[in-house]
Amino acid sequence: GESVGLHLPTLSVQEGDNSIINCAYSNSASDYFIWYKQESGKGPQFIIDIRSNMDKRQGQRVTVLLNKTVKHLSLQIAATQPGDSAVYFCAENRRDDKIIFGKGTRLHILP
Amino acid sequence: DAGVIQSPRHEVTEMGQEVTLRCKPISGHDYLFWYRQTMMRGLELLIYFNNNVPIDDSGMPEDRFSAKMPNASFSTLKIQPSEPRDSAVYFCASSLGREETQYFGPGTRLLVL
Repeated sequence: GESVGLHLPTLSVQEGDNSIINCAYSNSASDYFIWYKQESGKGPQFIIDIRSNMDKRQGQRVTVLLNKTVKHLSLQIAATQPGDSAVYFCAENRRDDKIIFGKGTRLHILP
Repeated sequence: DAGVIQSPRHEVTEMGQEVTLRCKPISGHDYLFWYRQTMMRGLELLIYFNNNVPIDDSGMPEDRFSAKMPNASFSTLKIQPSEPRDSAVYFCASSLGREETQYFGPGTRLLVL
């Protein structure tokens, strides 16, 4: 989920289907990863996190998968609802360094 | 807790004017972060504080930007003089630890004419 200029990548999903949002991170030394959801006019809101000693973590309707081999992170949302419409950001936190946010992916729910 | 509080929510000013953005972190959080969000650059970390002390200000774009945290419950981000390219949404966030979840405020939408 990287942006290109002014345009965020957009994922359109039918209501009730599962959504998968992907993110590539850059630093193999990153050891903590977070997914945030940002609704229009609001600040980013924490969804779920995962540390590098794990490859999967589940929350309520959300699952984060971490593949350290290819430096890839994904967020799965089960049974997508209209309220899930938002921009989703992944963030990596590098040990002894600052947190870095991705550019985001817009999730659009089709009725 | 009311969460992170930011003021003002919207600010419109003219180029050259001083702008001061304010933030009240969640009580008990030791870390406070200032971010800027634009369509072109996404969410950028400007500066963060630990126990009121600035730790990393490498994201502050220019000397026109300054941030202070006089006490554990208040921080300011000041732009002087402001320029049109400073137009963005500025977020404040706080957390218990540097690698703990950051809780964001609602942001201040700044427009510099």
